[in-house]
Amino acid sequence: DIVMTQSPLSLPVTPGEPASISCRSSQSLLHSNGNIYLDWYLQKPGQSPQLLIYLGSGRASGVPDRFSGSGSGTDFTLKISKVEAEDVGIYYCMQALETPRTFGQGTNLEIK
Amino acid sequence: QVLLQESGPGLVKPSETLSLTCTVSGGSITTHYWSWIRQPPGKGLEWIGNMYHTEYARYNPSLGSRVTISLDTSNNQVSLNLRSVTAADTAVYYCVRGRYCSGGRCAWYGMDVWGQGTTATVSS
Repeated sequence: DIVMTQSPLSLPVTPGEPASISCRSSQSLLHSNGNIYLDWYLQKPGQSPQLLIYLGSGRASGVPDRFSGSGSGTDFTLKISKVEAEDVGIYYCMQALETPRTFGQGTNLEIK
Repeated sequence: QVLLQESGPGLVKPSETLSLTCTVSGGSITTHYWSWIRQPPGKGLEWIGNMYHTEYARYNPSLGSRVTISLDTSNNQVSLNLRSVTAADTAVYYCVRGRYCSGGRCAWYGMDVWGQGTTATVSS
C-alpha cells in the first residue's frame, strides 16, 4: 500500500494569515498519463469530508480560490492564502493512483 | 444535484454481518465508480472498496474476504456487506462517488460527492 504522511498534525492559525500543509507519499503519484493522483479533502466539525483539490492542483467546484494545491512526485502542499474561520477542520490528503486508496493521518487546523 | 443517503441497522452484534445501503438520487450510478469509506470514532479515514457497474469490485486487503460491495442499477443503490464484524468495525460509514466514466473512458475528478454517513456500532 502507498503510505501517506502529513505534517503538521496540528495547525493553529490566526485569521487572515496563510497556512500550509505538507503531504508525502511513499511512492510517486505521477501516472504515465501525466496526471498526479493526489487529492485534498476537508472534514469540517460534525460533517462529512468534502473535496477541495483533485489531481494535485485542480480546485473542486465551489472551492474558494484561497485554496491551492501543488507538488510533484512524492511531495505535495495545500496552501490557504488567508485563513478564515470557516476553514477549521481536519484536512486529509489521499492518493488515487492505485487501490487501496490511502489517506494521510489528517491535519487539524484550528483558529488561534 | 446528486445526493447520497446511507442506511443501515445502527447496531450489529459481534460475528454477524453489517449490511448498508446507499441510495443515489439526482443521477445514475452507471456513470461513476462508487466507494465505501469508514471512520472509526475519533480516527481517520479508511477506504473499504469500490465498484463500477461493468467491473468487479476492488477491496482493501486489510479487510480480507469479509467485505462485498454490489450495485443495483435498477434501484440506483450501492450496497456494502461486512461479515464477521468485531468492535473494531464500529465506525461511521460513508458512501462516496468517485471516478467518472463515459463512452468507455474514465477520468478522475476526485471523490466529489459524499453521503452524510451512517453510524454502525458493533456490540452485544
